[in-house]
Amino acid sequence: GENVEQHPSTLSVQEGDSAVIKCTYSDSASNYFPWYKQELGKGPQLIIDIRSNVGEKKDQRIAVTLNKTAKHFSLHITETQPEDSAVYFCAAKASGGGSYIPTFGRGTSLIVHP
Amino acid sequence: EAQVTQNPRYLITVTGKKLTVTCSQNMNHEYMSWYRQDPGLGLRQIYYSMNVEVTDKGDVPEGYKVSRKEKRNFPLILESPSPNQTSLYFCASSLARGDYEQYFGPGTRLTVT
Repeated sequence: GENVEQHPSTLSVQEGDSAVIKCTYSDSASNYFPWYKQELGKGPQLIIDIRSNVGEKKDQRIAVTLNKTAKHFSLHITETQPEDSAVYFCAAKASGGGSYIPTFGRGTSLIVHP
Repeated sequence: EAQVTQNPRYLITVTGKKLTVTCSQNMNHEYMSWYRQDPGLGLRQIYYSMNVEVTDKGDVPEGYKVSRKEKRNFPLILESPSPNQTSLYFCASSLARGDYEQYFGPGTRLTVT
């Protein structure tokens, strides 16, 4: 089955700095890669996703890049703010072929210091 | 407001006492699932359902049961809870199978003593 590795497990940055979270996956059939943000006491919420026919996607201060050859995708947050502090999860999923189960990484706790 | 609701939010129980955690969504979503979240292990899927009366096992189904008698509801049943089922549980729903956003509930923190 799919295996998703996520690094780092904890990331501490100063407000205004950039933050990068990296994930690797094992199943070459995976073609959908969402990122979720989980704030304290809440359920995860989708913040951005990317499909395998795209190498990069941006939404204001966040961007995701995908390298299918290396089976590697990353979340980039620029100009971090204290409200970006949360746990971030990456996930990988193969469409079709009976696979409906996304595999999540173990999460990255991002701390943004004012 | 579109949402996924779970009840209870917090539960402390004893080993062997059957319990049910309810999940309901008001978005007419076909796909629903249950996850457990444990420190250092991320989110692991327990069961999922693609539609009414259609359920299947996720990665960690042992010790759990589910049912999907109505489209909006997807309860999680622990027939005989054990301490290793102490965890934070999330219900999620999405429009259908495929690459759709999953909407997560607020979570249920379960402690089994």
